[in-house]
Amino acid sequence: DQQVKQNSPSLSVQEGRISILNCDYTNSMFDYFLWYKKYPAEGPTFLISISSIKDKNEDGRFTVFLNKSAKHLSLHIVPSQPGDSAVYFCAAQMFSGGYNKLIFGAGTRLAVHP
Amino acid sequence: KAGVTQTPRYLIKTRGQQVTLSCSPISGHRSVSWYQQTPGQGLQFLFEYFSETQRNKGNFPGRFSGRQFSNSRSEMNVSTLELGDSALYLCASSNTESYGYTFGSGTRLTVV
Repeated sequence: DQQVKQNSPSLSVQEGRISILNCDYTNSMFDYFLWYKKYPAEGPTFLISISSIKDKNEDGRFTVFLNKSAKHLSLHIVPSQPGDSAVYFCAAQMFSGGYNKLIFGAGTRLAVHP
Repeated sequence: KAGVTQTPRYLIKTRGQQVTLSCSPISGHRSVSWYQQTPGQGLQFLFEYFSETQRNKGNFPGRFSGRQFSNSRSEMNVSTLELGDSALYLCASSNTESYGYTFGSGTRLTVV
């Protein structure tokens, strides 16, 4: 049962343009969503997050949008840079009873080319 | 503040052997989770430990086991290794008062 889905395995964007990575989820009990960035042979690093009570969170070039009715979130990167080329994982978290399980999507490989 | 430390970084084992991976969480973090990453499969949840107790478990066979010590350090064991166990194994620690995990750099296990 895939509760968090990233349906695009890869995305190619030109430097300077916008990158939009999408993520869908099925469980309405999730109360926190996160995006992680991963380079090869390294662990994922936290990028940006959003609480389920918000619909937008911005941090520099990165903005995450949450549409609860559609159970959909997206990560916008503007402007895209070659250093942004990595695999991006969407993750959802439910914090109930002290349980802290983070469920990840399959990832989207972003390639930003000059 | 030291990050999450995983040892070893690389391992090569033969099919049928067993392996133990180690993870030291960020100081003060009591929750440790383990994930397996294989190409095209994303991050598959193995299990989570909190205060030496397994709280959550993913859909992996019983060959995969773990434990957590009183200092929150955790070990993961895989017995009777199979070729398909070749993967990057990631450990993450968290503070139950906040969201999100901090990941280590992983252990790359190759089974030949």
